[in-house]
Amino acid sequence: GENVEQHPSTLSVQEGDSAVIKCTYSDSASNYFPWYKQELGKRPQLIIDIRSNVGEKKDQRIAVTLNKTAKHFSLHITETQPEDSAVYFCARGTTDSWGKLQFGAGTQVVVTP
Amino acid sequence: DTEVTQTPKHLVMGMTNKKSLKCEQHMGHRAMYWYKQKAKKPPELMFVYSYEKLSINESVPSRFSPECPNSSLLNLHLHALQPEDSALYLCASSQGSGQINQPQHFGDGTRLSIL
Repeated sequence: GENVEQHPSTLSVQEGDSAVIKCTYSDSASNYFPWYKQELGKRPQLIIDIRSNVGEKKDQRIAVTLNKTAKHFSLHITETQPEDSAVYFCARGTTDSWGKLQFGAGTQVVVTP
Repeated sequence: DTEVTQTPKHLVMGMTNKKSLKCEQHMGHRAMYWYKQKAKKPPELMFVYSYEKLSINESVPSRFSPECPNSSLLNLHLHALQPEDSALYLCASSQGSGQINQPQHFGDGTRLSIL
């Protein structure tokens, strides 16, 4: 399968500021884009996902946007809090390989008070 | 509030040992997954079971043997592992509805160390 490029690899933000993580893909068959948060020593936790027929989805302080034409999707966290500190992984699923998620390399987010 | 339960949480074994990892979910999901995760890396898919049948094997070495006894249980049998197999092994589950990708929910994992 083709890779998902995720940037940046590390992100430091002041508490209250916004954080944005971007992922790009090249496979046009990609149709499902989840985001996972993994705190140190814990399991990946699904925080939001979006399908290819939707351009934006929001859940409280978290939003995901999808640009199918440009083949990129982004995670937006507003009003960041120290408990948002974690590694965030984007992933993609495709129409022709059910159940197979391909993950980005991850972004270490550090929110400083 | 983990709905996917994995046992044991930690496992240390020698290269000649045989052990099994267990995973259980009671969400009525019909798809279950095994992932391997090394430190500071994303999860890597190993196996996918859909309706108790193996649907994806990502060219995993035969020293890892998956088993799905029923729709709620998933095992990973380990034999003659190598030190490089030390990692966090994650189980996940999702609804198994046709060809549409569904959210995957992870367990807390088993941290495996090979001596």
